[in-house]
Amino acid sequence: RKEVEQDPGPFNVPEGATVAFNCTYSNSASQSFFWYRQDCRKEPKLLMSVYSSGNEDGRFTAQLNRASQYISLLIRDSKLSDSATYLCVATYNTDKLIFGTGTRLQVFP
Amino acid sequence: GAGVSQSPSNKVTEKGKDVELRCDPISGHTALYWYRQSLGQGLEFLIYFQGNSAPDKSGLPSDRFSAERTGGSVSTLTIQRTQQEDSAVYLCASSLGLAGGEQFFGPGTRLTVL
Repeated sequence: RKEVEQDPGPFNVPEGATVAFNCTYSNSASQSFFWYRQDCRKEPKLLMSVYSSGNEDGRFTAQLNRASQYISLLIRDSKLSDSATYLCVATYNTDKLIFGTGTRLQVFP
Repeated sequence: GAGVSQSPSNKVTEKGKDVELRCDPISGHTALYWYRQSLGQGLEFLIYFQGNSAPDKSGLPSDRFSAERTGGSVSTLTIQRTQQEDSAVYLCASSLGLAGGEQFFGPGTRLTVL
């Protein structure tokens, strides 16, 4: 079983739609959680950290459920520029990032 | 300001040859990480440096892989006797070394082993 699991998608949604991605992690000792975004043939970039209380950054909302070992990302009012692969990430101990395989999002006009 | 840089951007080599990949982290970042991403796979952790020491080498796939960091800055990842399964994008990241801090990635080196 992978340490961080995501639905690979692709999720094909129209502009303006709301889309949610889920992720589960297997190591209950995981300490920090993030969502990274990776555009095609580019390096990953931090989208947002995920806090236990849930956090919002503009159109993006992240949630963490430690009891269920579950993380989510909600994107409201999708834009064409949101098309990318979204990587769920957990860390523990040495801060090495444990990546999920990513969920691909394609927003169409 | 300058981000993380990596060289070469692309490397094609023949099976059995050694290759050396270089990473220049962001100035002042004490932590440096190597990952690799194979086609259709997620990113896989290889090794982590804090300063010049490597407290976590758990991700290195075999003893053909080694890495070093000198002067708390530049790092090199060496793959000896390359195999076709080593073909991947090798990504370097650096951070301030604070727990849970953001890691900034370089553009990667695309390695192809023929």
